[in-house]
Amino acid sequence: ELKVEQNPLFLSMQEGKNYTIYCNYSTTSDRLYWYRQDPGKSLESLFVLLSNGAVKQEGRLMASLDTKARLSTLHITAAVHDLSATYFCAVDMNAGGTSYGKLTFGQGTILTVHP
Amino acid sequence: DGGITQSPKYLFRKEGQNVTLSCEQNLNHDAMYWYRQDPGQGLRLIYYSQIVNDFQKGDIAEGYSVSREKKESFPLTVTSAQKNPTAFYLCASRWRPGVGEQYFGPGTRLTVT
Repeated sequence: ELKVEQNPLFLSMQEGKNYTIYCNYSTTSDRLYWYRQDPGKSLESLFVLLSNGAVKQEGRLMASLDTKARLSTLHITAAVHDLSATYFCAVDMNAGGTSYGKLTFGQGTILTVHP
Repeated sequence: DGGITQSPKYLFRKEGQNVTLSCEQNLNHDAMYWYRQDPGQGLRLIYYSQIVNDFQKGDIAEGYSVSREKKESFPLTVTSAQKNPTAFYLCASRWRPGVGEQYFGPGTRLTVT
């Protein structure tokens, strides 16, 4: 069974600081996704990482994937209040290049950015 | 505009009643999914469908049922057998199983009293 674990689960940051959210998963996969959820809202896609070593950046967020370590990171640079949200990683379990067709989500990291 | 619609946004029901949540997409996606989210929790997969007229149970299918008679539509019925139905329900779709990211609808918040 695929397990996806995020840490930390709660992150309180000051504006202007940097921090990293980690996403570990337990079985082979080379497809990982990051989503953002604002309170009471649905999930919005942030990054799609489809190969080992993939790195994507958008504004103050940068995501990377290390398939050998089964680890993805979401790095926040110079945090601002607007980044306050819950961030989820999700992994597409596959074997031999064939996907099982469903994503397994981490527990989510609740990020709060303070002035 | 292409996207996923869910209706209604809020739904209130009495215990013992079945209720059906609507999910429609015009993205021409083959795969569709239903998730449940409880307060402060992650997403749990209820059912998914990779193609019309076929669907599979997810991790928490007990007390739920689905149908996939049309590519665009994947309604979820919450039956009276579901012990704790109050939750936020999210529908998602994907171009093909295992291809590309999932896109999510706006969600339906179901309250059962």
